[in-house]
Amino acid sequence: GENVEQHPSTLSVQEGDSAVIKCTYSDSASNYFPWYKQELGKRPQLIIDIRSNVGEKKDQRIAVTLNKTAKHFSLHITETQPEDSAVYFCAASGSGGGADGLTFGKGTHLIIQP
Amino acid sequence: GAVVSQHPSRVICKSGTSVKIECRSLDFQATTMFWYRQFPKQSLMLMATSNEGSKATYEQGVEKDKFLINHASLTLSTLTVTSAHPEDSSFYICSARALAGRQFFGPGTRLTVL
Repeated sequence: GENVEQHPSTLSVQEGDSAVIKCTYSDSASNYFPWYKQELGKRPQLIIDIRSNVGEKKDQRIAVTLNKTAKHFSLHITETQPEDSAVYFCAASGSGGGADGLTFGKGTHLIIQP
Repeated sequence: GAVVSQHPSRVICKSGTSVKIECRSLDFQATTMFWYRQFPKQSLMLMATSNEGSKATYEQGVEKDKFLINHASLTLSTLTVTSAHPEDSSFYICSARALAGRQFFGPGTRLTVL
């Protein structure tokens, strides 16, 4: 089955700086890669996703890149703000249609220092 | 759009009792829903895939007789934890597959078994 590795487990950055979280996956058949933000005790919220026919996608301060050959994908947050502090999870699934369940990374606790 | 509700939000029960958790897609129809479990400070682990009108598909290591899933309509899936024990205490979160295959999560149910 799929295995998703996520690094780092904790990331502390100064407000206004950029944050980068990296994930690798093992199953070459995976072709859908979402990122979720989860605040303590709350539901995961989808913040951006990318499919394997695309190398990069951007939405305001958030961008995701995918290197399908290397099985890497990364989340980039620019101009970080205090409200960006949360746990971020990457995930992968084997169907671009999302019919498969998601395999999650272990999460990155992002701390924005004021 | 793509709102998912879950009920109850919190359950405390005695060991040996059964607990039913409901997951509803409020503004869209979901032929596929998923059930995840999240232990404190850990990632989400897929338990099973719930398909409307057919049997659920369980992940390896998840006992189908212990975690009963019923997807009776296009907007409702239920998870019943039968004969719950303290080790079943966890945060149970459902998701529903919406347009373009994106998964949106419910608010979760915190189960505590005494």
